[in-house]
Amino acid sequence: AQSVTQLGSHVSVSEGALVLLRCNYSSSVPPYLFWYVQYPNQGLQLLLKYTTGATLVKGINGFEAEFKKSETSFHLTKPSAHMSDAAEYFCAVSWGTSYDKVIFGPGTSLSVIP
Amino acid sequence: DARVTQTPRHKVTEMGQEVTMRCQPILGHNTVFWYRQTMMQGLELLAYFRNRAPLDDSGMPKDRFSAEMPDATLATLKIQPSEPRDSAVYFCASGRGTGAGEQYFGPGTRLTVT
Repeated sequence: AQSVTQLGSHVSVSEGALVLLRCNYSSSVPPYLFWYVQYPNQGLQLLLKYTTGATLVKGINGFEAEFKKSETSFHLTKPSAHMSDAAEYFCAVSWGTSYDKVIFGPGTSLSVIP
Repeated sequence: DARVTQTPRHKVTEMGQEVTMRCQPILGHNTVFWYRQTMMQGLELLAYFRNRAPLDDSGMPKDRFSAEMPDATLATLKIQPSEPRDSAVYFCASGRGTGAGEQYFGPGTRLTVT
């Protein structure tokens, strides 16, 4: 069965430090991979996605993620954390061109320390 | 700036009462999703529509929950009768149905059942 795991339910970084949020998936077919961000009292919004092609994808707000098939991973990074990055981050996966359902991971809460 | 709208944004009701939540998907989107978010369970998919037809409602308690799309501009989620364990934030999301899995979330309805 397909699933998504996120290592660390809570991550704290200092302002200006590297942000690394981990995501691993299990899938029997090539996946589409996503990172969504949720700010307090808001819905989720798409940060970036991987479907096919280049394995390093860039998203909004300086975030990027790399699809590593051999490691079944799609970790999210940002070189320098900003206070405004504090939010909940969800990794998600879907499959195939006719399949709209998305499986979301449990989420990682990111805190940024001044 | 097209966005998904949800009403009401907040709802407080007593146990046993009927609750109806409404969602207006982005014009032109043909997939609609209902999610429930709680601290304990995270983000759960309740129901999924494509072209107004329900494709998957396996995540929804059938005895008290129902979801419909009377037309392409309105999706509803109804709980009857409501129970305290239904207290959560309910999100609606819509998508283009191209199979790439990208979803656009509304701001959510925060439901409190006392």
